[in-house]
Amino acid sequence: QVQLQESGPGLVKPSETLSLTCAVSGYSISSGYYWGWIRQPPGKGLEWIGSIYHSGSTYYNPSLKSRVTISVDTSKNQFSLKLSSVTAADTAVYYCARLWDTMIVVAFDIWGQGTMVTVSS
Amino acid sequence: SSELTQDPAVSVALGQTVRITCQGDSLRSYYASWYQQKPGQAPVLVIYGKNNRPSGIPDRFSGSSSGNTASLTITGAQAEDEADYYCNSRDSSGNHYWVFGGGTKLTVL
Repeated sequence: QVQLQESGPGLVKPSETLSLTCAVSGYSISSGYYWGWIRQPPGKGLEWIGSIYHSGSTYYNPSLKSRVTISVDTSKNQFSLKLSSVTAADTAVYYCARLWDTMIVVAFDIWGQGTMVTVSS
Repeated sequence: SSELTQDPAVSVALGQTVRITCQGDSLRSYYASWYQQKPGQAPVLVIYGKNNRPSGIPDRFSGSSSGNTASLTITGAQAEDEADYYCNSRDSSGNHYWVFGGGTKLTVL
């Protein structure tokens, strides 16, 4: 079965870059689907950060676009998130997920367990 | 601010039926998907498309849509259904931009 697993530092200093990786097992990223990052600040709702298509095309939330980079490494079957110039407002649980989008039907059908990232000096 | 609007909280008596709604212009063009999230856990997809349930999701969960409103209905709510529920779709422009509703906290009394 398809599984996603986030990894990366749990603590990042203000103004630095947050870097996370999502390892995918049970499915080859290069075979299809979009792959996305979603975050959830403590006690708040879900926010879509960005997605990457299996071909490498990227799409970002306009509110974060200037600070976000998502990339894919098909050789390792993983995709990554970089968020620069972080502040305390970026403290959140970060999830990676597989996104199924047929233009009419949209669904993040498989999620990682999430990883908590705290921005603090 | 979210382009999909949900009521912050809804309650239902055990065994009764509850409807959770999601409003947004994009829902006139795209189906919503629905996610259940329990404390400390990742969201789980419960409804997608016109009214489809992933494997393992009980058939008491169903979805519907009319105009700019999508609904998640739980028929015969169980104690284990108490959770946060989020809707999700593309944004109203149709661009490659996905949005979530603000979430609805469901309490089963």
